[in-house]
Amino acid sequence: ETGVTQTPRHLVMGMTNKKSLKCEQHLGHNAMYWYKQSAKKPLELMFVYSLEERVENNSVPSRFSPECPNSSHLFLHLHTLQPEDSALYLCASSPRVLAGRTDTQYFGPGTRLTVL
Amino acid sequence: DAKTTQPTSMDCAEGRAANLPCNHSTISGNEYVYWYRQIHSQGPQYIIHGLKNNETNEMASLIITEDRKSSTLILPHATLRDTAVYYCIVRVKGADGLTFGKGTHLIIQP
Repeated sequence: ETGVTQTPRHLVMGMTNKKSLKCEQHLGHNAMYWYKQSAKKPLELMFVYSLEERVENNSVPSRFSPECPNSSHLFLHLHTLQPEDSALYLCASSPRVLAGRTDTQYFGPGTRLTVL
Repeated sequence: DAKTTQPTSMDCAEGRAANLPCNHSTISGNEYVYWYRQIHSQGPQYIIHGLKNNETNEMASLIITEDRKSSTLILPHATLRDTAVYYCIVRVKGADGLTFGKGTHLIIQP
C-alpha cells in the first residue's frame, strides 16, 4: 500500500463511451502524474500537475483530458478512445522539491483499460 | 535526462545477493541515480536513490562508481517476491516526470 489509490482497477469501454479514471493520494503531496504503459513498451509520462496546475503535457491526444480539482485528487477523462489506447494507466504523486526534501514518486496500482 | 543501459534479463538463486548493473556514462554532475521496480501488472515501486555516495536502506544497497558512470543495485538476500522489472533512472532531483527505459527483468529461481 503506497498511499496512492486508483479506481476502477479494470475498465472495459467502447470507442464511443465516455469514462473517467480516478486517483487519490493520502500522502500530503502536491504534485501528481499520469503515466501510460502499453504492452511491451516502457512507461510514458502523460501529464504533470503541481499545486493543481498542469505543468507538463507530453503531446497527449485531446481524447485524454486530465483534471486536478485539489492536491489529493486527479482524474483522467476519456472519450472516443481507440483500441490502441488499451493500456495500464498509472497515477503517481510526489512532494514538490524543497531544499533537502526528496521528490520520490509513489505510484498507485494502475487501471487496466481495454478499449473495444 | 542522461540515458541508461541495463541488461534485458538476469537470473538469481533465492537467498543469494542479486546485483543489477546500470551504465550511465553521460550522467551530469547534478543528476541522481534512482531505482524503481515493477512487479507484474502493479505500479512501480521506489527502491533507492543516490548522487555519488553509496546508499543503503531496508530494501537494497546502491553502489555508485567513483566516476559516476555506472552503478549497481544490490538486493542482499533475494526472495521469490523480488522477481520484477528493475528500472535504473538518471534525473535531476525535482525534475518533473520519470523517463523509464526497458529495465532489467530479474527472475529469482527457487
